[in-house]
Amino acid sequence: ELKVEQNPLFLSMQEGKNYTIYCNYSTTSDRLYWYRQDPGKSLESLFVLLSNGAVKQEGRLMASLDTKARLSTLHITAAVHDLSATYFCAVIPGGGADGLTFGKGTHLIIQP
Amino acid sequence: NAGVMQNPRHLVRRRGQEARLRCSPMKGHSHVYWYRQLPEEGLKFMVYLQKENIIDESGMPKERFSAEFPKEGPSILRIQQVVRGDSAAYFCASSTRRTSGRSANTGELFFGEGSRLTVL
Repeated sequence: ELKVEQNPLFLSMQEGKNYTIYCNYSTTSDRLYWYRQDPGKSLESLFVLLSNGAVKQEGRLMASLDTKARLSTLHITAAVHDLSATYFCAVIPGGGADGLTFGKGTHLIIQP
Repeated sequence: NAGVMQNPRHLVRRRGQEARLRCSPMKGHSHVYWYRQLPEEGLKFMVYLQKENIIDESGMPKERFSAEFPKEGPSILRIQQVVRGDSAAYFCASSTRRTSGRSANTGELFFGEGSRLTVL
């Protein structure tokens, strides 16, 4: 069974600082997704990483994927308050299974 | 282009009643996925449907839960004889293509805003 683990699960940081969220998964997969969720809202797609070594950047967020280590990172540069949200990584299980397996999410609070 | 539409947004039921949650996918999307999110948890896959077909229901509880996606109209997730443990947010997502390990496509999912079920 595929397991997806994120850490940290809770993170409080100050504006202007840098930080990284980690996403480990337990079985082979070559496709990983990052989503953002605001309280009471839906999930917003941030990144789709399709291959080993993939790196994508959007504004202050940068995501990378290392399929050999089964690890993805979401790096936040010079955080701003508007980035406060819960961030989920999700992986497609191998073997043709349908649907994504999500991590538990990282609750990020950025304080002014 | 409207996004994925779910209704009701909030639903309160007493134990033993039925809950019906509806999902209209984005225009042009024929693949629908249902996920459940418990408090402080990630989303868990329940079922994947295409028009008139259930393709993968491996995440669906064996009893009381059913899903359909008729030729016309929205997809419906039905929970019979609800219990307190069914209280959760239920999200629907749609896609133009199948999101699975077989597909070479990204299979990006677009999520609705969810239906929050509270069982008293």
